Amino acid sequence: DIQMTQSPSTLSASVGDRVTITCRASQTLISWLAWYQQKPGKAPKLLIYKASSLESGVPSRFSGSGSGTEFTLTISSLQPDDFATYYCQQCHTYPLTFGGGTKVEIK
Amino acid sequence: QVQLQESGPGLVKPSETLSLTCTVSGGSISNYYWSWIRQPPGKGLEWIAYIYYSGTTKYNPSLKSRVAVSVDTSKNQFSLNLSSVTAADTAVYYCARQSKGDVFDIWGQGTMVTVSS
Repeated sequence: DIQMTQSPSTLSASVGDRVTITCRASQTLISWLAWYQQKPGKAPKLLIYKASSLESGVPSRFSGSGSGTEFTLTISSLQPDDFATYYCQQCHTYPLTFGGGTKVEIK
Repeated sequence: QVQLQESGPGLVKPSETLSLTCTVSGGSISNYYWSWIRQPPGKGLEWIAYIYYSGTTKYNPSLKSRVAVSVDTSKNQFSLNLSSVTAADTAVYYCARQSKGDVFDIWGQGTMVTVSS
């Protein structure tokens, strides 16, 4: 299985901050990586697919970059609605696997 | 818009079979892959299996010996059976639509299943 490692596991930030989350894969994914946002008690929501493509309806402050084994999710200016847990997911090889999550908390 | 809704028992006894159904509304089940994903309390996400509307399936090897998924296109539903459950199978179970290169773009709200006697 492809192992997905996210860092940090927890991140404390303030409204307006630029936030970056990293996801590393144990094998190359080319660009087959997605990002999700999950709020407590809710299902994950797709933000980014194919590493950098913004899902329809997702605010443009979210962006994704990277290729190969290292990827990043950036929130350009953190908003109150963005405090949540973020997961990366590789879609290159079955079984599909997720990172362990990054919780973005209020500083 | 397409919506997914999971249904099934919230409590299953150890060694028994967990059975869930996902109903697709607002669109057809055809031409898409449909997955089951679970999340133990306070933990991360685990992909379980997918089924194509034609009946083609793929399973996570870690669960393959205990999992079966099926589809009923006439009812716009697909289902999950997980046999010989233990406490380790306690989780929120989600159904989801796969598209855009094996990402999950539409999710059900999730259903909590507890394995306990």
